[in-house]
Amino acid sequence: QLQLQESGPGLVKPSETLSLTCSVSGGSINGSDHFWAWIRQSPEKGLEWIGSIFDSGSAYHSPSLRSRVTLSVDTSKNQFSLRLRSVTAADTAVYYCAKHAASPTFFGFWGQGRLVTVSS
Amino acid sequence: EIVLTQSPGTLSFSPGERATLSCRATQTVRANYLAWYQHRAGQAPRLLIYGASNRATGIPDRFSGSGSGTDFTLTISRLEPEDFAVYYCQQYGNSPYTFGQGTKLEIK
Repeated sequence: QLQLQESGPGLVKPSETLSLTCSVSGGSINGSDHFWAWIRQSPEKGLEWIGSIFDSGSAYHSPSLRSRVTLSVDTSKNQFSLRLRSVTAADTAVYYCAKHAASPTFFGFWGQGRLVTVSS
Repeated sequence: EIVLTQSPGTLSFSPGERATLSCRATQTVRANYLAWYQHRAGQAPRLLIYGASNRATGIPDRFSGSGSGTDFTLTISRLEPEDFAVYYCQQYGNSPYTFGQGTKLEIK
């Protein structure tokens, strides 16, 4: 059974970089022919898709966050990661990692989520 | 960007009743690429329906989806205690993929 687990700091200072990793078990990222995504949820904005990355490293992002987001994948560790630069309080959210096919793009598997608070 | 509106924000039912949840899009959802998710507190969101009307693997047949274009519905025919949760719709016909703000099903 595929499982995804987010990890990373739960507290980030304003203007710094939020970094999260999603560890995948029960299946391989490499050659999966699927995309690996980040989604966040805040009381203000609800659920918001951040971006998705393929095992090759090819990625695409939400236009609203594109300028601050870097996605990466480490197939040797079966992990993928999110970096969000220059965070503010508005980036406080529960961050989820998820999996989807190239098409159609519904999210079939999700992690449990990681709360990240931006505060000094 | 397609905005999805779910109404109402909260619905109250008793177990055994039938619940109908609505999701409306600001523009036509391409190919009816509309999904529904269930989210229980502290758990990972769970895919229920994709393609507006297709149940995901392992989802009980009391869950059904319908609709097309801009108006979509999730129906739960007979509510079980474990069905009281928050439900979200999501469109994946156009990037950026967007979600509704959710409808909370609570026990009356």
